[in-house]
Amino acid sequence: GQNIDQPTEMTATEGAIVQINCTYQTSGFNGLFWYQQHAGEAPTFLSYNVLDGLEEKGRFSSFLSRSKGYSYLLLKELQMKDSASYLCAGPAEGASGGSYIPTFGRGTSLIVHP
Amino acid sequence: DGGITQSPKYLFRKEGQNVTLSCEQNLNHDAMYWYRQDPGQGLRLIYYSQIVNDFQKGDIAEGYSVSREKKESFPLTVTSAQKNPTAFYLCASTALEGVNGYTFGSGTRLTVV
Repeated sequence: GQNIDQPTEMTATEGAIVQINCTYQTSGFNGLFWYQQHAGEAPTFLSYNVLDGLEEKGRFSSFLSRSKGYSYLLLKELQMKDSASYLCAGPAEGASGGSYIPTFGRGTSLIVHP
Repeated sequence: DGGITQSPKYLFRKEGQNVTLSCEQNLNHDAMYWYRQDPGQGLRLIYYSQIVNDFQKGDIAEGYSVSREKKESFPLTVTSAQKNPTAFYLCASTALEGVNGYTFGSGTRLTVV
């Protein structure tokens, strides 16, 4: 089994930088995902890390340390529209067909204020 | 454009009724999934299917049923045995080759009245 832990809520100011942490425990590893979900909408894919290090994609970056079971999502130049829930989805046991099914954390609700 | 479509967006169920949520995708994805999301909780897996005519239980399958008669379609039935069905239901699909992020549908909000 595995646990995915991330903070419940964070607040930040428009234009600032915020880091959302995620820790996981698992016996296997097949990559770690980050998703963004606005209220009442479907999650949208942000990033995927399978190797250690930082992956940068515009204002969003994601970091992974496999040895520490730790990831973070870094959001720069925050905008009001970045107010959303950010879901960390970690490695899971393989499904019977050879694919794997990630386990989702509870999500971090980010509130960006002026 | 390819995508995944859920319907209806809002659904109301009376006590003791079965209701079916639709999920259709034209992405040619092999795998499809149903998740339930409650306030303050993450996505919990109900059922998944990786091939037509086959599906597997997820973590919270009790009170739900699915079918996968076509690759494009993976309907979810919420039965009267599900005692607390009010939730936001999300359908997702993914290709099996490689590790890919999910494509999610827009969700169905089910409320018991």
